Amino acid sequence: GESVGLHLPTLSVQEGDNSIINCAYSNSASDYFIWYKQESGKGPQFIIDIRSNMDKRQGQRVTVLLNKTVKHLSLQIAATQPGDSAVYFCAENILPGGGYNKLIFGAGTRLAVHP
Amino acid sequence: DAMVIQNPRYQVTQFGKPVTLSCSQTLNHNVMYWYQQKSSQAPKLLFHYYDKDFNNEADTPDNFQSRRPNTSFCFLDIRSPGLGDAAMYLCATSRGAGEGYTFGSGTRLTVV
Repeated sequence: GESVGLHLPTLSVQEGDNSIINCAYSNSASDYFIWYKQESGKGPQFIIDIRSNMDKRQGQRVTVLLNKTVKHLSLQIAATQPGDSAVYFCAENILPGGGYNKLIFGAGTRLAVHP
Repeated sequence: DAMVIQNPRYQVTQFGKPVTLSCSQTLNHNVMYWYQQKSSQAPKLLFHYYDKDFNNEADTPDNFQSRRPNTSFCFLDIRSPGLGDAAMYLCATSRGAGEGYTFGSGTRLTVV
């Protein structure tokens, strides 16, 4: 069946260190992956996305890596700041047909940044 | 500047008493989605509208219904809330296939 899962449920890092959050997916039909950040009591916030014809994409302080061979996705956050503390979800975008897309979310990783 | 607006932010309802959550968007997106997110879990898709076409996920309970009277508004109706329906309910919009989502801030539902 379809599934998107994460290796680590929690991640604690020191302020200023780099963070890496990992995600495994099983639906090889998807061509689009998204990372979301969710702060307590708020909706998911788009961070970065990547299409399957790429293996790396960089944003401001964030990089997403995609390894289609092993169906693995990662989010790297450089110089992690206290404001980065949140739950991070990877999501796999699939196209069931009918003109819409459907997001399947992974279980989430809580990132805790310590001063 | 809000683009997907959910009201109310917090809703308390009694066990078995019908409740409606609302979502509006200023993006003119074709697709509107409702997700349920229980504590410390990932969002789970309940259903969506592509324009006026309603699509229910296979495992969404009959207790959950939705209405989309126009492009801008979409409602989630819970006919007889149970304690297990307590969750954050997230509305999201999308232009369509291959496009990303824009999420609202969610409505946290408490059932007493």
